[in-house]
Amino acid sequence: ETGVTQTPRHLVMGMTNKKSLKCEQHLGHNAMYWYKQSAKKPLELMFVYSLEERVENNSVPSRFSPECPNSSHLFLHLHTLQPEDSALYLCASSSGTGSYEQYFGPGTRLTVT
Amino acid sequence: GESVGLHLPTLSVQEGDNSIINCAYSNSASDYFIWYKQESGKGPQFIIDIRSNMDKRQGQRVTVLLNKTVKHLSLQIAATQPGDSAVYFCAENGGYGQNFVFGPGTRLSVLP
Repeated sequence: ETGVTQTPRHLVMGMTNKKSLKCEQHLGHNAMYWYKQSAKKPLELMFVYSLEERVENNSVPSRFSPECPNSSHLFLHLHTLQPEDSALYLCASSSGTGSYEQYFGPGTRLTVT
Repeated sequence: GESVGLHLPTLSVQEGDNSIINCAYSNSASDYFIWYKQESGKGPQFIIDIRSNMDKRQGQRVTVLLNKTVKHLSLQIAATQPGDSAVYFCAENGGYGQNFVFGPGTRLSVLP
């Protein structure tokens, strides 16, 4: 499998649930990202990992918890979410942080009920 | 903070015509720009990029123009096809080593 994959593609969860989103990149990249895409809003950067170390946390609420066990995998752990957290969550990877083209996965469509 | 915005949120063109999608950016330190295409149900896909030492770059049926004087970026699609229907985003890097900032996107609809 090539490129950037994300699972699940769709997720419906209650506000008291705990779930995790998974991202895997098969491109040999060193940097991985989580973005949130809401209707009528630009892509919002959430987290950046470079060589498995978090290099940026863009003022994201603590109910979102990222994990990067190795350079190929990235997780986003979710707990006690709010309905306004419903969005498309996109994972991306690049050769490095900064001025490198980012390759995106298909996203996870999250609905919080 | 710095922002990237689009002049037109939607654009409808006839099949076979040329399309022009515009983007304004505000960070004069940005030196790398990318256009992405996002089809329904998919993640953004790289189309073409340009660095600030250039003012024009061409790909297959696409051309990106950069005007640093007025901080303006445009994407031109020649002979627009139904498969070009998507949302197009511009992104600026905010200077070397910074994270990309994305515009809100323009939806391109190709009419038969």
